[in-house]
Amino acid sequence: DQQVKQNSPSLSVQEGRISILNCDYTNSMFDYFLWYKKYPAEGPTFLISISSIKDKNEDGRFTVFLNKSAKHLSLHIVPSQPGDSAVYFCAASAVDSGNTGKLIFGQGTTLQVKP
Amino acid sequence: ETGVTQTPRHLVMGMTNKKSLKCEQHLGHNAMYWYKQSAKKPLELMFVYSLEERVENNSVPSRFSPECPNSSHLFLHLHTLQPEDSALYLCASSQGGHGETQYFGPGTRLLVL
Repeated sequence: DQQVKQNSPSLSVQEGRISILNCDYTNSMFDYFLWYKKYPAEGPTFLISISSIKDKNEDGRFTVFLNKSAKHLSLHIVPSQPGDSAVYFCAASAVDSGNTGKLIFGQGTTLQVKP
Repeated sequence: ETGVTQTPRHLVMGMTNKKSLKCEQHLGHNAMYWYKQSAKKPLELMFVYSLEERVENNSVPSRFSPECPNSSHLFLHLHTLQPEDSALYLCASSQGGHGETQYFGPGTRLLVL
């Protein structure tokens, strides 16, 4: 049973427009969420995170929104740039993960930003 | 050298070989992780070490054997692997504990023939 789901395997947007990547989760014990970006032949790079005590966190062109009642989060990138083309992973951590810091990852969404 | 490094970056091995993957973190973190990423699948957590003690073993077959000699180094010893073990193996580190961001190395692309 997949606890973190990214239902869109791919997304294509025009340069300068907004990219919206979505993530759904099922475990109500998740209270910390992260987005990672991954280029081919590289490891995932941390982008932005949000705690469940917030519903929005912004860092430059990247904003993450959290809707706890819907168990849904989204990553907004605006304006999108060709260099943003990568695979984006959503990840979640449960409050009862103890000293492991265990993260559960979604399958990833491949974003292509066209010039 | 900064961040998290992994060697080798690519590895081809036969099913009877024994090899080891190495990870080193230069971030002063207390926890280190091994993940497996197979094609079209999410990252799967394999092992977690916190303060050099294994705190999570995610039902990984015994042909994968981790070793954490100190807080900066993590190894994954491989023996008698199967072709389905071919994947990208990623190492990560963090300050340890819930709510801490994990930082990843570039990964080792493993092919088992």
